[in-house]
Parts: sequence; structure tokens; C-alpha cells
Amino acid sequence: GENVEQHPSTLSVQEGDSAVIKCTYSDSASNYFPWYKQELGKRPQLIIDIRSNVGEKKDQRIAVTLNKTAKHFSLHITETQPEDSAVYFCAARGRYGGATNKLIFGTGTLLAVQP
Amino acid sequence: AAGVIQSPRHLIKEKRETATLKCYPIPRHDTVYWYQQGPGQDPQFLISFYEKMQSDKGSIPDRFSAQQFSDYHSELNMSSLELGDSALYFCASSRTENTEAFFGQGTRLTVV
Repeated sequence: GENVEQHPSTLSVQEGDSAVIKCTYSDSASNYFPWYKQELGKRPQLIIDIRSNVGEKKDQRIAVTLNKTAKHFSLHITETQPEDSAVYFCAARGRYGGATNKLIFGTGTLLAVQP
Repeated sequence: AAGVIQSPRHLIKEKRETATLKCYPIPRHDTVYWYQQGPGQDPQFLISFYEKMQSDKGSIPDRFSAQQFSDYHSELNMSSLELGDSALYFCASSRTENTEAFFGQGTRLTVV
């Protein structure tokens, strides 16, 4: 079945440094890859996403890259701030419509930004 | 802007009781997903509906059922509750042609 692997499980960086989280997916039909940020006890919040026809997307300090051949995608956060501390989940979705539009989540990365 | 609304926010039930969780998707969203998230775990897909029909099914126990109604709200019914059912239950909605999925605030179910 579909599977999404995410690394690392925990990541500690100093404020101002960059953070990189990597994910790989198994379903070659996947064509949409969102990233969610989840604070303790709260809902996952969409922070950025990328579709399969794009290799890179950037939004201020956050960027995502996608390598469809290798079936992996990465989240890059630059100039990290303490408020970036949270659990980050990657996800992958197959063709939209029909029976394959569910999001499969990675196992999460706990990011701690030390002041 | 309207978001996904879930009710109740918190629910405490005893073993073997039943529970009903409700989800009201963002207006004009035609797809609803249910996820279960245990402590320190990633969200696990339970079931989804597109245009009021079940579109996909994940690791949902037979004790659970769900449906989407004519007004697009969805309900997750859970029977014969077990201690292991204690978790955060999230509902998310999306428009199929615009694939972003937005999550509700979740229902924290505690089975005692």
C-alpha cells in the first residue's frame, strides 16, 4: 500500500539556522505533496504544498523541493525562529477524484528551535 | 473565512459506550476525511466521502461507521468503545479540483 517515510524524527537547531526535513513516498501516482505544522494538541495547519508538475516552491522562509524520479520531497526552513518549533508532517496524495484522494502522512518531525 | 467545524471538542465515554462525532466542512467543499491521531503519532486515515458517497476507507474498525449527509456534514459513529480508541479525531475537507485539505480543531475522545 501507499507509504510515506519521514526523516528525521526529531531535529534541534539554533535560532537563525536552517532546518531540512525529508520525505519519500512509495506511490508513483502521487501528485500532490503538502506539509503541515502541528502544535501540541492543535490541528495540523497547511503551511506549503507542491504539485507534481513543479520542482520547487517558495513562500518567504519556507521552501519545498520535489524529485519525482527519486520519489522524494523536502521542506526547507531558513532563519528559524522559536515559534517554528512544532511537529511537521509531510503527506502525499494520489490522483484526485475517486478512491485515491486521501492524504497519507509521514511519521512527523519534532522541530525544536533553541533561542 | 469559515473553517472546518467539529463537535464536540472534548468527549469522555466509558468502555462499551457509543460516541458520535460531527464535522461541518468548509462551504462548497465536497470531500470530507476522518483521521485518528494517537499521542505522539501521525494522523491515521479512517474514511473519506466525496459528494456524500464513501470514496475511500482506511484502517477504520468495524465498530466505527460514518456517513455524509445531504448538507455535506459528516458524522463518525463509534460503538463498543475501547480504551485504545482514546485519541484526537480530526475531520478535514477539500474541493477535489483544488486539492488543499483543511483540518478542523479535532475532537479529543477519552475512553475510561
